[in-house]
Amino acid sequence: QKEVEQNSGPLSVPEGAIASLNCTYSDRGSQSFFWYRQYSGKSPELIMSIYSNGDKEDGRFTAQLNKASQYVSLLIRDSQPSDSATYLCAVNSYNQGGKLIFGQGTELSVKP
Amino acid sequence: DGGITQSPKYLFRKEGQNVTLSCEQNLNHDAMYWYRQDPGQGLRLIYYSQIVNDFQKGDIAEGYSVSREKKESFPLTVTSAQKNPTAFYLCASRGARDSNYGYTFGSGTRLTVV
Repeated sequence: QKEVEQNSGPLSVPEGAIASLNCTYSDRGSQSFFWYRQYSGKSPELIMSIYSNGDKEDGRFTAQLNKASQYVSLLIRDSQPSDSATYLCAVNSYNQGGKLIFGQGTELSVKP
Repeated sequence: DGGITQSPKYLFRKEGQNVTLSCEQNLNHDAMYWYRQDPGQGLRLIYYSQIVNDFQKGDIAEGYSVSREKKESFPLTVTSAQKNPTAFYLCASRGARDSNYGYTFGSGTRLTVV
């Protein structure tokens, strides 16, 4: 079992729809969770962080965390073509000295 | 402005040649990391350093070497022992006290073997 798992996609949604990106993790001691956006050929950019169970909203982005289910998700409302990118889930791993463990990423395509 | 600078942006390596990728940060971060990313793949950790003059191997350290003589700098050398070095290389940093924070990434170096 991979430490951080994401569906590789591609996930295709129409413009204006809600995009839902999911991530599961194996280390129950993890306390910090992050979502990065990576445009093709560019470096990852941190867009959301979440530390407590529940929802955290920032503009069109909502991160959701359920530690009991070891599940974290990212919702993008009113998706725009400019949201087309690969989204990386990262988990602060207690088992690995606090290093971030990255998922493989989910490719999102927003169609006009 | 604070940030991480990677140079060069593009690098071409001949067979059997060692090349060094630069990573400099002015964020006063203690921890620095090197990742490799292949097309359509996730990030793979090469080396990391939590403090000056100390570093540890990541998951794919073979064929690479690093040094951490200054807090601001963490150069990566791709040696001739690395048989398939063509990839996108990313440097990242994080403050030691900021374990609840994510990494800050540089803009990357794209290495190609010619």
